[in-house]
Amino acid sequence: DTGVSQDPRHKITKRGQNVTFRCDPISEHNRLYWYRQTLGQGPEFLTYFQNEAQLEKSRLLSDRFSAERPKGSFSTLEIQRTEQGDSAMYLCASSVYPGTGFGNTIYFGEGSWLTVV
Amino acid sequence: GNSVTQMEGPVTLSEEAFLTINCTYTATGYPSLFWYVQYPGEGLQLLLKATKADDKGSNKGFEATYRKETTSFHLEKGSVQVSDSAVYFCALSDLAGNQFYFGTGTSLTVIP
Repeated sequence: DTGVSQDPRHKITKRGQNVTFRCDPISEHNRLYWYRQTLGQGPEFLTYFQNEAQLEKSRLLSDRFSAERPKGSFSTLEIQRTEQGDSAMYLCASSVYPGTGFGNTIYFGEGSWLTVV
Repeated sequence: GNSVTQMEGPVTLSEEAFLTINCTYTATGYPSLFWYVQYPGEGLQLLLKATKADDKGSNKGFEATYRKETTSFHLEKGSVQVSDSAVYFCALSDLAGNQFYFGTGTSLTVIP
C-alpha cells in the first residue's frame, strides 16, 4: 500500500491569499481526517470525512477554512484570506472504519507546511 | 472530556540508556491508546497501540502498557539509540474511533 500523500509539502504565501492543500488517503480507507500542528504542539483536530460526508468540524475551523471530499477519495483543504496565524503544518490522516474491531488506527501523511508572510 | 497529558521535554539521554516518557489520560468510557513518533519535518508514524486495559503494545523495542487504574500509558525502551531521536506523542481515541486526542509531544535526543 502507498501511504497517505499530501501536496504541496511546503507553501509560502502572502497574507490575504488563498491556498489549497490536497490529500490522497490510503486506498480503500473510508475515513479522512485533517489536523493542524504548530511548533511544539500536538496535532489539533480540524475535521473528518467518512466517504464523501463531512461528519464533524472543530471550532478551530473558521469560516475561512473549507474542506471537501467530493468523491470519497482525495480531499482538499482550502484556506481563504490567509492570516499569519494560519502558519502551521496541516496533516492529513486516513483510516478504515469500523475496521476489524477496537483500536481504529489513523495513518498520517507527511504534512503540508504553510508559511504566511 | 477526553485529554492526554505527557511529561514535558526535552529529554536528552546517552545511547543505551533506559527511556521512560510518561503519559496519563482522561477519558469517558474505554478509549484506545497510542504512541506516535514524529521525525523532523515529517508526519506522525504509529509506533504502538493498546485497545483495552492491561494490553501491552510493543514495537521496535518500545513498550507501553494500558493501565486503567492509574489512567496511564507510559512509553519505555530498555536501550535507546541515536536513531530514536524524535518527538513522541501519546494519543487516545474515543470508543467510537471518531476523534483522536494528542498530547503536546515529548522531544527526545539521544547522544552517542
